[in-house]
Amino acid sequence: QVQLVESGGGVVQPGRSLRLSCAASGFGFSTYGMHWVRQTPGKGLEWVAVIWHDGTTTYYADSVKGRFTISRDNPKNTLYLQMDSLRVEDTAVYFCASEVKGRWYYFDYWGQGTLVTVSS
Amino acid sequence: QSALTQPASVSGSPGQSVTISCTGTFSDIGAYNFVSWYQQHPGKAPKLMIYDVSNRPSGVSTRFSGSKSGNTASLTISGLQAEDEADYYCSSYRTDDSAVFGGGTKLTVL
Repeated sequence: QVQLVESGGGVVQPGRSLRLSCAASGFGFSTYGMHWVRQTPGKGLEWVAVIWHDGTTTYYADSVKGRFTISRDNPKNTLYLQMDSLRVEDTAVYFCASEVKGRWYYFDYWGQGTLVTVSS
Repeated sequence: QSALTQPASVSGSPGQSVTISCTGTFSDIGAYNFVSWYQQHPGKAPKLMIYDVSNRPSGVSTRFSGSKSGNTASLTISGLQAEDEADYYCSSYRTDDSAVFGGGTKLTVL
């Protein structure tokens, strides 16, 4: 069945970097656009970034533009999020999610999330 | 990129219907019919319940329905059941090639 497993979360100081990974299995990863979505503990969802199935196009939320980079390695079935210049307000659970096939603005399969805590 | 506006909470008794609203602008909900709804139980990942304003993915109960008027989308859950108690989020495509979520609505089944 479809599995998305995030990893790489942890505690990091403000201004430092962190890279998240999302290992995919059970579906045609290389044919799906992929997202990162985050959720502040006890709060709502916030879309972070999307990358098209072939990696040619990426879009970002204004709140992370210029600091975060989404990328993918299709042969390894893995999605990444490089987070630089981290801020306290980036503290959240980060989910990876697939698009609905061909519809990048919808979120179909989801992982269980990895917690990122930015604190001094 | 402001979030879409949802009521913080709604409630209903088993068997009743409830409607959750989601208000945006002419740059998101009002621009296209690319509105979706997600259900999230505590400690779980969100689940897609509605897309394209009113379409249900395979396996989602027909008790869930969606609609849109102008800049406001709505999710209606009929025949409320205990397992419907969860947080619900709307989402929309935006004309600046971004996606936006609502702040979320906690549904309580009395």
